Amino acid sequence: DAGVTQSPTHLIKTRGQQVTLRCSPKSGHDTVSWYQQALGQGPQFIFQYYEEEERQRGNFPDRFSGHQFPNYSSELNVNALLLGDSALYLCASSPRTGTTDTQYFGPGTRLTVL
Amino acid sequence: AQKVTQAQTEISVVEKEDVTLDCVYETRDTTYYLFWYKQPPSGELVFLIRRNSFDEQNEISGRYSWNFQKSTSSFNFTITASQVVDSAVYFCALRSGYSTLTFGKGTMLLVSP
Repeated sequence: DAGVTQSPTHLIKTRGQQVTLRCSPKSGHDTVSWYQQALGQGPQFIFQYYEEEERQRGNFPDRFSGHQFPNYSSELNVNALLLGDSALYLCASSPRTGTTDTQYFGPGTRLTVL
Repeated sequence: AQKVTQAQTEISVVEKEDVTLDCVYETRDTTYYLFWYKQPPSGELVFLIRRNSFDEQNEISGRYSWNFQKSTSSFNFTITASQVVDSAVYFCALRSGYSTLTFGKGTMLLVSP
């Protein structure tokens, strides 16, 4: 049973560039959430996708956008990168069973903005 | 608004010692869910346990045990006879209503041989 997978593992970009991160959910899961984890901090919720639509969004600017595909995989796009966007980006998947669903996380993509 | 506080930033113990990680939460909801995740140096968050607000029964799983007390809004995690492989950052998280997970800042546990 494959877990949550993310690509790429590491990424280095320069300020102003755009980046796309990818996530494949755990088998049987149809809901994908994205989190940003700055160094030494807990993960912060960016947004959640279900049925190819953004269902919830955290306190992140519009530079952060996403997409979910019919196979439930998801992308996170960040435009006009800032130095402060350097972080570990985590994807989590869960079955759509209401509020009881446990989120399972992938290994993350470490983004460095120079 | 919901909040999770992990007051211990870093804990260092010697192998075979018992260690307790503290977690205090805040929420106005009467139904909520508490979680513990482990994050080894590789970065992946590993799910350890989920507790429902209406189930205060404490749980033991091998060397791990969890103490959930609604009266003090705490959900503490104890590792018995710690091992070097337990070294990681441990996160407590809260979910209520239809909100997503709110994490604490984490506690780094260092277990030395």
